[in-house]
Amino acid sequence: DTGVSQNPRHKITKRGQNVTFRCDPISEHNRLYWYRQTLGQGPEFLTYFQNEAQLEKSRLLSDRFSAERPKGSFSTLEIQRTEQGDSAMYLCASSSPSGPNTGELFFGEGSRLTVL
Amino acid sequence: QKEVEQNSGPLSVPEGAIASLNCTYSDRGSQSFFWYRQYSGKSPELIMFIYSNGDKEDGRFTAQLNKASQYVSLLIRDSQPSDSATYLCAVNRYGGSQGNLIFGKGTKLSVKP
Repeated sequence: DTGVSQNPRHKITKRGQNVTFRCDPISEHNRLYWYRQTLGQGPEFLTYFQNEAQLEKSRLLSDRFSAERPKGSFSTLEIQRTEQGDSAMYLCASSSPSGPNTGELFFGEGSRLTVL
Repeated sequence: QKEVEQNSGPLSVPEGAIASLNCTYSDRGSQSFFWYRQYSGKSPELIMFIYSNGDKEDGRFTAQLNKASQYVSLLIRDSQPSDSATYLCAVNRYGGSQGNLIFGKGTKLSVKP
């Protein structure tokens, strides 16, 4: 499978715990995005990496959230001191810098977080 | 005003009919417009993108863009039960990267056999 891979697919945690999600993008894609989606809503942009550089961050990304892409390949999204409001599907997407539509996002299957 | 607005539906059409999905956006600076399809429990997948005013056709799908009215639509001809899904309209955030998209809440489409 050469699509975007995310793990874990599901995570249940208690309030106050830290969680980390991993995303492996399509290998030739240098652009990587994190989005969050709650039930009945569209995805919301969180952050964007081009290679290893984090170029954009949403105001939604509080200081409890940190994302990294240390070698320009896989990325991690860590949430510290989780709150019940963090419960959501965390979607990773990647895109190619070339081709007819460089804005096309290829989404992974997501990591569902439930904070009890 | 919400940045990207869609009628949440559900929109129900009979098999073989034309489904019409609509979307309005608030930022006049937006340049790129996308329609994503999301099946229940799955991640979004791109079905159409449009950058210029007018119509763009791809198989059974036609996207329409009117920048003056800040309006995007998606027509699905000869609707099939397999088209039943939530359709998300997305607009590139002005000043953001190409993948920094603002999504609407989506319109749930149900195609009845």
